[in-house]
Amino acid sequence: DVKVTQSSRYLVKRTGEKVFLECVQDMDHENMFWYRQDPGLGLRLIYFSYDVKMKEKGDIPEGYSVSREKKERFSLILESASTNQTSMYLCASSFAYNEQFFGPGTRLTVL
Amino acid sequence: GQNIDQPTEMTATEGAIVQINCTYQTSGFNGLFWYQQHAGEAPTFLSYNVLDGLEEKGRFSSFLSRSKGYSYLLLKELQMKDSASYLCAVSRMNTGFQKLVFGTGTRLLVSP
Repeated sequence: DVKVTQSSRYLVKRTGEKVFLECVQDMDHENMFWYRQDPGLGLRLIYFSYDVKMKEKGDIPEGYSVSREKKERFSLILESASTNQTSMYLCASSFAYNEQFFGPGTRLTVL
Repeated sequence: GQNIDQPTEMTATEGAIVQINCTYQTSGFNGLFWYQQHAGEAPTFLSYNVLDGLEEKGRFSSFLSRSKGYSYLLLKELQMKDSASYLCAVSRMNTGFQKLVFGTGTRLLVSP
């Protein structure tokens, strides 16, 4: 079974803090994705990566950056957290154009 | 741009059949996915359609009409555990990369 894990289920941070969300997958997938999910807005793509050290902006990249130093790991970075970044963050991975497998999510609250 | 519409909420009775519709407008269409998401959990893959027609998988079936920009997910013999949100996601090819664009989801409540 494909397993996608995320570093935390719940996280509380203060405005202005730097926040790291980590995602690891164990199926050697080349594609990895970061989404946020908000009520009434659905899942929105923040960034994605198709290879190590490669990144592409999604639909809402502002205020975020990413890092992919190893194939299995994809990190989402909030350089200076703001209250409007309070959300559920979901990581996913896939092989080629196949279905994406999601991690359990990190519910981030920024105070 | 892209636009994906699906009903916000539906209710049905255990043992019944329910159809969840999804309409979309997008460029670079490369297929349509359906995911199930229980409250507080990650989305899980249900089906993928890239060609017109019906794909059946047990109690769940998914249909696609590319010319009409329309898909539906059909759930038969509903069970209480089918209470969840159902997400329609359009796969788009853009600048050589595939991206999924999700609808806002349909929350299905199955009652006894």
